[in-house]
Amino acid sequence: EIVLTQSPGTLSLSPGERATLSCRASQSVSSSYLAWYQQKPGRAPRFLIYGASSRATGVPDRFSGSGSGTDFTLTISRLEPEDSAVYYCQRYDRSPYTFGQGTKLEIK
Amino acid sequence: EVQLVESGGGLVQPGGSLRLSCAASGFALSSYSMNWVRQAPGKGLEWVAYISNSSPTLYYADSVKGRFTISRDNAKNSLYLQMNSLRDEDTAVYYCARHDYGAYGGYWGQGTLVIVSS
Repeated sequence: EIVLTQSPGTLSLSPGERATLSCRASQSVSSSYLAWYQQKPGRAPRFLIYGASSRATGVPDRFSGSGSGTDFTLTISRLEPEDSAVYYCQRYDRSPYTFGQGTKLEIK
Repeated sequence: EVQLVESGGGLVQPGGSLRLSCAASGFALSSYSMNWVRQAPGKGLEWVAYISNSSPTLYYADSVKGRFTISRDNAKNSLYLQMNSLRDEDTAVYYCARHDYGAYGGYWGQGTLVIVSS
């Protein structure tokens, strides 16, 4: 079973800075079937990125994804206060459709 | 407008059963595979179960295999999760989510809370 490990656990940055979130898989994720979500307290997750690097409809271009195989990155450029949230990666190439443990992004 | 609305959560004793429902609107459930995902209080997301749009093919997380059953009624545009032999560690918000990872995908319900406690 593939394990997704996200780092760092918590990231604290200022508005306007760039955030780099990592998601590392214990085995290769087929065809880059890797998604990213944003979740704010008390809310359902919001779908951000699919196919490792494609933005879902309505997602600002400040959010970008990259990577393949076992190493994936979510980059948020020009941070805004509303980007404060927990971010999760998820594989969807085959079952089990595992999530990473999440990275908490705090905006100072 | 695509909507997923979960219901059926509540307080149940350990060893008990509960059936969650997810009502879909704005699209034909029969065209999509679906997932249940849960989130324990203060914890991360955990994928629970998957059902394909046809056949159907079923997958479960090891933590619920043999205790939970995912099913669907396309005529009612509804998804279900039958949960038996519930344990304290099954306490969580349960979300239904469309298994749709494209530009217009990523639809989730608002979640329903299940509390397993004596």
